Amino acid sequence: GAGVSQSPSNKVTEKGKDVELRCDPISGHTALYWYRQRLGQGLEFLIYFQGNSAPDKSGLPSDRFSAERTGESVSTLTIQRTQQEDSAVYLCASSLSQGGSPLHFGNGTRLTVT
Amino acid sequence: DQQVKQNSPSLSVQEGRISILNCDYTNSMFDYFLWYKKYPAEGPTFLISISSIKDKNEDGRFTVFLNKSAKHLSLHIVPSQPGDSAVYFCAASGSNDYKLSFGAGTTVTVRA
Repeated sequence: GAGVSQSPSNKVTEKGKDVELRCDPISGHTALYWYRQRLGQGLEFLIYFQGNSAPDKSGLPSDRFSAERTGESVSTLTIQRTQQEDSAVYLCASSLSQGGSPLHFGNGTRLTVT
Repeated sequence: DQQVKQNSPSLSVQEGRISILNCDYTNSMFDYFLWYKKYPAEGPTFLISISSIKDKNEDGRFTVFLNKSAKHLSLHIVPSQPGDSAVYFCAASGSNDYKLSFGAGTTVTVRA
């Protein structure tokens, strides 16, 4: 497709379960980002991938969160032992390069932890 | 630590009038600024940007103004249209930084 694709669009899970969120970036985009938006708040940076460089994980809120990216393609964000405070919209974005290139966002995955 | 602040959570404007959205930032290293627009259940979409070497950038009905000394930028939409009703996010980064810092957003409602 032409845009960033995320799946699932919605996910409801029980507290304590693990979830995996998927992102397909725009083809050719070397940079990939994960952000999350909690209700009524702005976008919070989670993690950044650029090519084959080591990812910037500085935004991950706890060690329950991890992400992987294979080359310059699909990325998965995994949340282990989910908590209610993890409920948010998780947004993936890609861009051509770092610095100065607008991010192109997917529609997000709305995660609800009950 | 909120480095980008949008102090007005909402704005209501009549169709045809001007919408003015404000954004303040605290990090003096920021030199690239963007506005994103977000509809419900969709991801944010890029609207307009400005680099610190400029104080104004215009694209159709959208104009962004930058006041570096005040660490303030604004987005003007004129004339406002019903389709402009959305959440607008201000974002900023440094030239050597890949991370965008976002504000909390301003919800714009354009009344017919």
